[in-house]
Amino acid sequence: QSALTQPPSASGSPGQSVTISCTGTSSDVGGYDYVSWYQQHPGKAPKLMIYEVNKRPSGVPDRFSGSKSGNTASLTVSGLQTEDEADYYCSSYAGYNTEVVFGGGTKLTVL
Amino acid sequence: EVQLVESGGGLVQPGGSLRLSCAASGFTFSSYWMHWVRQAPGKGLVWVSRIKNDGSDTNYADSVKGRFTISRDNAKNTLYLQMSSLRAEDTAVYYCIRVRGYNGFDSWGQGTLVTVSS
Repeated sequence: QSALTQPPSASGSPGQSVTISCTGTSSDVGGYDYVSWYQQHPGKAPKLMIYEVNKRPSGVPDRFSGSKSGNTASLTVSGLQTEDEADYYCSSYAGYNTEVVFGGGTKLTVL
Repeated sequence: EVQLVESGGGLVQPGGSLRLSCAASGFTFSSYWMHWVRQAPGKGLVWVSRIKNDGSDTNYADSVKGRFTISRDNAKNTLYLQMSSLRAEDTAVYYCIRVRGYNGFDSWGQGTLVTVSS
């Protein structure tokens, strides 16, 4: 059982927007502005898409955006493209003892 | 170009040991904290361990504490994970990761598969 809760699946049609939620507690998501999101295609290593809640690394399209409210973080993918179909994982810093926690992952399907 | 290349994975019997290595290039290795994250087949990501840039501080997930040891050699630009008392539930792909800030895992290796089975 993962520390952060994500929906197992999400879907949308090309051009649409989809939002994936990531719910934690005040000890992780709610306590720090250190939420990150990762995209993983089958057989590949994960790729950083969002860090520190809403920052995009260079090279990540601005169609990807992050936000946080209380103990829940969200990843929004706008203007869905077929190549966005992948698994998405959220992660949060959780203090020194636990350090890093992940969500269970969300499989995004582009219909 | 940042590159992280893991090696050392393989098949090991329960109770056995294995040492993973991660060769880093394309960046100033000694300036970055590094992590190991694993992913069991068909499952999600799980954080394993972290080491400070100068090796002075380490941290572990409860599931591996006392069995795994993370270390680094900044002169060789290499990160290590010494794994002992291995269990079937340690079977996973192990990723070496560079971090920016507290948990922005911005560069990942290709992963190395560790299989614990008799």
